[in-house]
Amino acid sequence: GESVGLHLPTLSVQEGDNSIINCAYSNSASDYFIWYKQESGKGPQFIIDIRSNMDKRQGQRVTVLLNKTVKHLSLQIAATQPGDSAVYFCAENIKGGATNKLIFGTGTLLAVQP
Amino acid sequence: ETGVTQSPTHLIKTRGQQVTLRCSSQSGHNTVSWYQQALGQGPQFIFQYYREEENGRGNFPPRFSGLQFPNYSSELNVNALELDDSALYLCASSLGGGDYEQYFGPGTRLTVT
Repeated sequence: GESVGLHLPTLSVQEGDNSIINCAYSNSASDYFIWYKQESGKGPQFIIDIRSNMDKRQGQRVTVLLNKTVKHLSLQIAATQPGDSAVYFCAENIKGGATNKLIFGTGTLLAVQP
Repeated sequence: ETGVTQSPTHLIKTRGQQVTLRCSSQSGHNTVSWYQQALGQGPQFIFQYYREEENGRGNFPPRFSGLQFPNYSSELNVNALELDDSALYLCASSLGGGDYEQYFGPGTRLTVT
């Protein structure tokens, strides 16, 4: 399938290491944030979300940190595995009345070396 | 798998033609959003449909239009295709128009020549 990772920032890690992917968002009024994983030829897959009343949320092997002061999100993946290789996008939820639209960041290509 | 399906998987059209892309939402979801993803970029919001009404629109011209049906499936129509319309078109379904988790389909790869 086609690569969605062309010209994207790349993070290369060794299998078993921890990965940290960073993202800056633009709208200080955003109150809901999501990390998506996108493998080549597939649609984005939900990983974890966080609301603005929290600064940390943990899932299975993943942790999201939110710093509203500097409008920064990070995704931490513990014990990175080859199956984690993909493009990772952060998205902020923008509300306009009843509309819920996602604004996606540039994306980071995570390459896991065996 | 999210339960969101899209058809066709791939499509090749000529500049100036019209195209219709289809999306079936996840069971129980009444909201469908469409996104355009150019190669190497993040998805960009086109518009959202909630209970058969357009519920919000991004910065796309009127030649991008859509429909939502009573079963909450949706179509994206693009008229007068341009070369820059070549992209992956994604639909996402959710429980409502608010800040609910959006589940994405696999996308339709459109190539305009």
